[in-house]
Amino acid sequence: DSGVTQTPKHLITATGQRVTLRCSPRSGDLSVYWYQQSLDQGLQFLIQYYNGEERAKGNILERFSAQQFPDLHSELNLSSLELGDSALYFCASSRWGAGTYEQYFGPGTRLTVT
Amino acid sequence: EDKVVQSPLSLVVHEGDTVTLNCSYEVTNFRSLLWYKQEKKAPTFLFMLTSSGIEKKSGRLSSILDKKELSSILNITATQTGDSAIYLCAGGDNQGGKLIFGQGTELSVKP
Repeated sequence: DSGVTQTPKHLITATGQRVTLRCSPRSGDLSVYWYQQSLDQGLQFLIQYYNGEERAKGNILERFSAQQFPDLHSELNLSSLELGDSALYFCASSRWGAGTYEQYFGPGTRLTVT
Repeated sequence: EDKVVQSPLSLVVHEGDTVTLNCSYEVTNFRSLLWYKQEKKAPTFLFMLTSSGIEKKSGRLSSILDKKELSSILNITATQTGDSAIYLCAGGDNQGGKLIFGQGTELSVKP
């Protein structure tokens, strides 16, 4: 158990809908990273927050957004869902926001768009 | 564009064999190379390497970074069936620290 929690574990929804994925980092970690894992693309970085501020962005679609709250938990919002958004979404956390340090991954949320 | 490439993509060995997994990277403002093990769930952290030529070891697993060759290897000695997993390599920068992952090497250890 990495100490990172994610809810829900599974989500099944229809195209065009909007969902919110939630992540709580390990105690003491200030950075939260969101990754998407699909069979064809592998594990892809989406976005990073550090202590409430956006720090880095990957190839995140405009339909996707995230935020980190004062208690450091983070939410990833996915809207106007398409079939291709079906994937495993991981959240990871680390202690720092600059430079690369160990990132610990949560159990993931499996999103299925039908 | 930043890129991490792993080889081989898949490998089948028998228990007791030694395996070497390869990772090459092109990461702007590179700082660290990380290895993870993924068994049908979340990736679990194995090693982080920042200095060239210094081996990191944990039990039967070891890894080393070669900054001149922009590469790293992960060695697993005396493999066990429990080592069957996908091994992911990722390059990290000295900015925010996002990780660029390779495609992974799927290792299958047969009894």
